[in-house]
Amino acid sequence: IAGITQAPTSQILAAGRRMTLRCTQDMRHNAMYWYRQDLGLGLRLIHYSNTAGTTGKGEVPDGYSVSRANTDDFPLTLASAVPSQTSVYFCASSSTSGGTDTQYFGPGTRLTVL
Amino acid sequence: GQNIDQPTEMTATEGAIVQINCTYQTSGFNGLFWYQQHAGEAPTFLSYNVLDGLEEKGRFSSFLSRSKGYSYLLLKELQMKDSASYLCAVRDGDYKLSFGAGTTVTVRA
Repeated sequence: IAGITQAPTSQILAAGRRMTLRCTQDMRHNAMYWYRQDLGLGLRLIHYSNTAGTTGKGEVPDGYSVSRANTDDFPLTLASAVPSQTSVYFCASSSTSGGTDTQYFGPGTRLTVL
Repeated sequence: GQNIDQPTEMTATEGAIVQINCTYQTSGFNGLFWYQQHAGEAPTFLSYNVLDGLEEKGRFSSFLSRSKGYSYLLLKELQMKDSASYLCAVRDGDYKLSFGAGTTVTVRA
């Protein structure tokens, strides 16, 4: 693995179903993030984690949950999917060492909720 | 929170120069980023400014004025492969990024 991977690449889901989007990074970054991207709205932060064992809410957290059991993995769970959660989901990671600390993005998961 | 504005679309000719402006109002500032995103792909890092002034990186340059809440991305010698969306993002003190809606640049032959 090099960088950040996400799975699945795309998914069609019935409303009311539970879904977990997976994200794994191999850069040993302490911070990880989940965004959704919708046409005309840009990227919006859902949840973030500054270090393993801690998580925080972003701009649009309702309907989503996350966990950070270790440094590498940061899964995003939709407990009961609704059509408004149809979007492209990007995971990102960065260090927070006080320098540039660029966020690097995974390839994305395209989710359709019917 | 952050309020970040950038134009929705711009069109330019191959070989020309395009300047994408970004204005922001923030509750905390810890750097400004520009990302490039081709259709159907992930955003990729282009540039970072935390101090006032111009940062040059090949054909791309980025400028920041913190007192004016203003940045621009300058793309020189445009190529067809530069057709993409360009995202302005402001980082707060907690290392969270807030993004503008993006500017779609179309390069015509």
